[in-house]
Amino acid sequence: GESVGLHLPTLSVQEGDNSIINCAYSNSASDYFIWYKQESGKGPQFIIDIRSNMDKRQGQRVTVLLNKTVKHLSLQIAATQPGDSAVYFCAENIRGAAGNKLTFGGGTRVLVKP
Amino acid sequence: KAGVTQTPRYLIKTRGQQVTLSCSPISGHRSVSWYQQTPGQGLQFLFEYFSETQRNKGNFPGRFSGRQFSNSRSEMNVSTLELGDSALYLCASSGSMNTEAFFGQGTRLTVV
Repeated sequence: GESVGLHLPTLSVQEGDNSIINCAYSNSASDYFIWYKQESGKGPQFIIDIRSNMDKRQGQRVTVLLNKTVKHLSLQIAATQPGDSAVYFCAENIRGAAGNKLTFGGGTRVLVKP
Repeated sequence: KAGVTQTPRYLIKTRGQQVTLSCSPISGHRSVSWYQQTPGQGLQFLFEYFSETQRNKGNFPGRFSGRQFSNSRSEMNVSTLELGDSALYLCASSGSMNTEAFFGQGTRLTVV
């Protein structure tokens, strides 16, 4: 498979446990945030998004938390499964930018141990 | 509903050559963005097209260019290829501003 990052921070988690992936963003003007999952050899897959007028949003087994005060975003995965092993990226879109111009974080590799 | 389709999936080119990559967005999506992914630099924005117009541009040299057709399909071109252009090139389509961007599988370009 293709490596999307040779020196990514890695989160090892036991199958069935909850995972928390963190992301710091730098631009206080960002108003839209997305989490993506990328498996080896594939493009990033949309997981969940959140707008800056919210601080929490839930999906199926995933929750995104946004703390604008400290410019921090997190993704919580409940009951982590082997299929959750992948690299996870946060991305932000800048308010006022005409259109879509996502800025991505460096990514976190999640390894699920059986 | 078909997803974002990128062709070709793999490409090997020689330094100095040029290359054209293609992206067909999700039906009905008018915004197409291009990204370069490398182990060292991560995912970096190249440019975005909307209704055949370049709406945003990243910090890449002029060797990188693109265009969008009336059916929203997009192409990107890299001229005078350098070894450092070896990367996974990803295309994403969106319905409008600040909505989900859906990615294709990417084109793996290797410059030798």
